[in-house]
Amino acid sequence: RKEVEQDPGPFNVPEGATVAFNCTYSNSASQSFFWYRQDCRKEPKLLMSVYSSGNEDGRFTAQLNRASQYISLLIRDSKLSDSATYLCVVRGNAGKSTFGDGTTLTVKP
Amino acid sequence: NAGVTQTPKFQVLKTGQSMTLQCAQDMNHNSMYWYRQDPGMGLRLIYYSASEGTTDKGEVPNGYNVSRLNKREFSLRLESAAPSQTSVYFCASSPIGGGDTDTQYFGPGTRLTVL
Repeated sequence: RKEVEQDPGPFNVPEGATVAFNCTYSNSASQSFFWYRQDCRKEPKLLMSVYSSGNEDGRFTAQLNRASQYISLLIRDSKLSDSATYLCVVRGNAGKSTFGDGTTLTVKP
Repeated sequence: NAGVTQTPKFQVLKTGQSMTLQCAQDMNHNSMYWYRQDPGMGLRLIYYSASEGTTDKGEVPNGYNVSRLNKREFSLRLESAAPSQTSVYFCASSPIGGGDTDTQYFGPGTRLTVL
């Protein structure tokens, strides 16, 4: 079983749709959680950190459930520019990060 | 402020050749990382350096060596390239190497093909 597992996707949604991505992790000692965005053939960039209380940044909401070892990302009112691959990242206490394989989102007009 | 830079951007090697991938950051970050990304997959950690003078193995270190030359530079060496090392290599840095606000900043990547 992989340490970090994401919905395989791809997700194809119309503009304006709400879409949610899920991610599960196996190491209960994991300390920090992130969502990164990666555009085609580009480097990953931080989208948002995920806090225990949940956090929101504009149209994006991230949730963490430590008991179920589960992270989610919700995107509301999808834009064409949201089309990308979204990577779930889990970090342990030694500073090592484990990346999920990513979920690809395509937003269509 | 260039952030994280990597050279070269593209490289083609023959099996058995050696090469060094260079990475430098100008953000005064303590921690640096080398990842590889194969098609359709997430990034896998090869080696990382929590601070100047230290290096540790990641998930897939076999066939690679690293040098943390100074606080700015972290190089990755392939001593004898194999086709299985065909991949995109990303270097990253982060300020403190941990914590839920510790963002990793990535370089643009090196696309390596081993024939």
